[in-house]
This record gives sequence, C-alpha cells and structure tokens, in this order.
Amino acid sequence: QSALTQPPSASGSPGQSVTISCTGTTNDISIYNYVSWYQQHPGKAPKLIIYEVRKRPSGVPDRFSGSKSGNTASLTVSGLQAEDEADYYCSSYAGTENLVFGGGTKLTVL
Amino acid sequence: QVQLQESGPGLVKPSESLTLTCTVFGGSFSGHCWSWIRQPPGGGLEWIGYIGFLGTSNVNPSLKSRVTVSEDTSKNQLSLKLSSVTAADTAVYYCARGKIEAPRSGLEIWGQGTMVTVSS
Repeated sequence: QSALTQPPSASGSPGQSVTISCTGTTNDISIYNYVSWYQQHPGKAPKLIIYEVRKRPSGVPDRFSGSKSGNTASLTVSGLQAEDEADYYCSSYAGTENLVFGGGTKLTVL
Repeated sequence: QVQLQESGPGLVKPSESLTLTCTVFGGSFSGHCWSWIRQPPGGGLEWIGYIGFLGTSNVNPSLKSRVTVSEDTSKNQLSLKLSSVTAADTAVYYCARGKIEAPRSGLEIWGQGTMVTVSS
C-alpha cells in the first residue's frame, strides 16, 4: 500500500478558509468512505477531527469539514484561527483492515 | 475517561527486538480496536497494525515479517513487538483506540507516545 499524497504546506490569514487535499488511489479513497483527518500540534499526539469522510467527533468545531471526490479527499478549515496552526494528516482504509496515512500538511496561519 | 499510556525501553540496539506496552486506563477492551502508529523525528505517521475483538489483528504489509501485536485483557494492556530493528525504526510510537472494532472508522483516543531510539 502506498502513502496518500498531501501538499507539504498550506496557509491562510485569520478568518479565511483553507482546503487541504489528500490524494489516494483506486485501492483506498476512491472505493471506501473511510477517510479520517488528524490534527497534530508540535510535541503532541494526533487528534481525530474528521472520520468517515465528513463526520466530526464530539467537541470538534464545525469550522472543520471533510469531503471526497473520486480518489481525492479534502479537509476545509473555515474561519481560520491562530490555534488551527498545526500539522494535518489524512488516512484512509485500504482494504483487509489496513490503514494508510498521508505525508502530512503543515498549516500556517499568517 | 479513557486514557492510554505507552511504555518501553527508550533505547534499543540495532538487530535486537523492541517490545512496547500500552496500558488502557478507565475503559475496557471490548467494542473497540487498538492500533499502533509510529512517527519518525520530523516525519509523518505510519500505521503499524491493530488488534481487535477476539484477538483479530492485522499488520502493515511493509512490516508484517517483523511485527507482532498482542493483548492481555486481564491487565488492560496491548503490546507491540518489532524484531531486527534498524535506525529506520527510530520514532515516537503511539497506541490509539479505534472508534469501532476495526481501525477503518478513525482512531479517536491516542496515548502521548513513547520515543524509541535505535542506536549502538
């Protein structure tokens, strides 16, 4: 299984919206609705912010939203805030109870 | 409130085996699966494997020959054994709980991670 492809960096000003892409293959994102997104601040463990493409765990602000089209999933952060500056990782189910992660995107709030 | 805590040796010599333990506080094993994930310094996340209900398990194909995941429900612990380690195995190792009994639906609770360095 190959890692999912994410842009290494993204940025936006406070209040703006930013979208991070996650590109997979016909063996993962395109055929399964099991895409998750994680937020990781420096020195901390990752935190689940989106699961099953577009669902948010309790306590995650609705500024975070997920979507999928074909073999590409996307995370949109609306109304950017300073505390959204972090690394973001996507993951997808890849069949036979395997998971694959993306390489991560560093989001900078300008 | 469920909390996970990883523990391990910190430093391992090349070619030796590494064993890590994750202790689950405040919850039970049933109804969820338990994954191991690692992150090399400055790098991204890599899923290692999981163990679920009734001991079902699977391992990342790229690590399959070297990894064993197991659980001890009487102690609320899961374990990871990685054999024949090299410098490339240097990483922070996390355990995480899945939302359901398989890892596909997201990893909702994570431990704080334990750093493992492979060096002579």
